[in-house]
Amino acid sequence: DAGVIQSPRHEVTEMGQEVTLRCKPISGHDYLFWYRQTMMRGLELLIYFNNNVPIDDSGMPEDRFSAKMPNASFSTLKIQPSEPRDSAVYFCASSPGALAGLNTQYFGPGTRLTVL
Amino acid sequence: SQQGEEDPQALSIQEGENATMNCSYKTSINNLQWYRQNSGRGLVHLILIRSNEREKHSGRLRVTLDTSKKSSSLLITASRAADTASYFCATDTNAGNMLTFGGGTRLMVKP
Repeated sequence: DAGVIQSPRHEVTEMGQEVTLRCKPISGHDYLFWYRQTMMRGLELLIYFNNNVPIDDSGMPEDRFSAKMPNASFSTLKIQPSEPRDSAVYFCASSPGALAGLNTQYFGPGTRLTVL
Repeated sequence: SQQGEEDPQALSIQEGENATMNCSYKTSINNLQWYRQNSGRGLVHLILIRSNEREKHSGRLRVTLDTSKKSSSLLITASRAADTASYFCATDTNAGNMLTFGGGTRLMVKP
């Protein structure tokens, strides 16, 4: 398996533009997580899905952020409109799930977002 | 506040020395996990210890868990320059399938 795949790896955009981050989880994993990492705030959980259904989005900072998981192999995190304070590294992670006896998370390489 | 808090925030040692990192947490857990993050990369799972376990080994890694003190430690023996990374503890509180990550310890191993 190729692991969790994220695209793009780097994104530079201007304030006010729409940004879409993409994630392909590991096949067979039931859970998908979106995190944001900054020096100031560390690693923050934004939202997570179980079997494509959003379970907890309490970490989504504002209505400008939205996430979807239309099927088991694809998820998007969208920021519209983007602001400079959204600059961070965004990680996607997937997990087989606790029912499988394992809730270890497997992280993608991240998308480094810079909003000018 | 965070469920897991690592201590120290930063650690610098010489190659060959042992590195010890600590993690404290607040609520009851099912398991505690340690992850490593190399600069510019995603987190990688290292080891998981269940709440009914007290110690676990994996290669040069040794993890202890004291549920009465709500704390864990990660020991890396005979450190190498390649161990330079940030190390995070993460706790599973049975709140869905979430993990709550601490702020991390930045380890630098000097050759």
